[in-house]
Amino acid sequence: QVHLGQSGAEVKKPGASVKVSCQASGYTFTGYYMHWVRQAPGQGLEWMGWINPNSGDTNYAQKFLGRVTLTRDTSISTAYMDLSWLTSDDTAVYFCARQTHALVFDFDYWGPGTLVSVSS
Amino acid sequence: QSVLTQPPSASGTPGQRVTISCSGSDSTIGSNTVNWYRQLPGTAPELLIYTNIQRPSGVPDRFSGSKSGTSASLAISGLQSEDEADYYCATWDDSLNDVVFGGGTKLTV
Repeated sequence: QVHLGQSGAEVKKPGASVKVSCQASGYTFTGYYMHWVRQAPGQGLEWMGWINPNSGDTNYAQKFLGRVTLTRDTSISTAYMDLSWLTSDDTAVYFCARQTHALVFDFDYWGPGTLVSVSS
Repeated sequence: QSVLTQPPSASGTPGQRVTISCSGSDSTIGSNTVNWYRQLPGTAPELLIYTNIQRPSGVPDRFSGSKSGTSASLAISGLQSEDEADYYCATWDDSLNDVVFGGGTKLTV
């Protein structure tokens, strides 16, 4: 069965960077785009970008251009989200999510989320 | 301010039918398909509807989606207490080249 596991909670200081991992199992990792979505406390969902695990191609949300980097390691079926220059506004739960159908951007499987707290 | 507009709240009693709207624009819903997600407190979202009207396997037929022009709707019939959750619409934005979500609707049963 498909499963996305994520790394544990992080506490960071403003200006620092954070790297969150998402390990996939139960399907062919390179066959599906992986997206990252975040949710600030009490707020809605915010899309950050996607990576094509097969080619490594990426597409980032306008808001995060220059601050987010998505990478992957196909040997361990793991995707990574690196966010730099953190501020308190980046305090949120970060989810990875698998896209099922091409050009539809439907996310059928989600990781449990990783809480990133930014505080001085 | 979300690109897609949803009512912040909705409510109904058990057994009732409730609809949640999602309003967009020509570059969002007007040009692309809409997906709907349900999020229970403290959990990750789950896909309810994709490509406007399709239900993933395992999603009951009490949930249905529709789209017309630049708006979409999610209907839930036979409302149950476990339907109490936050619901989000999402689509692609041709102008931003981003996936965009609605602000979410909190459903109270």
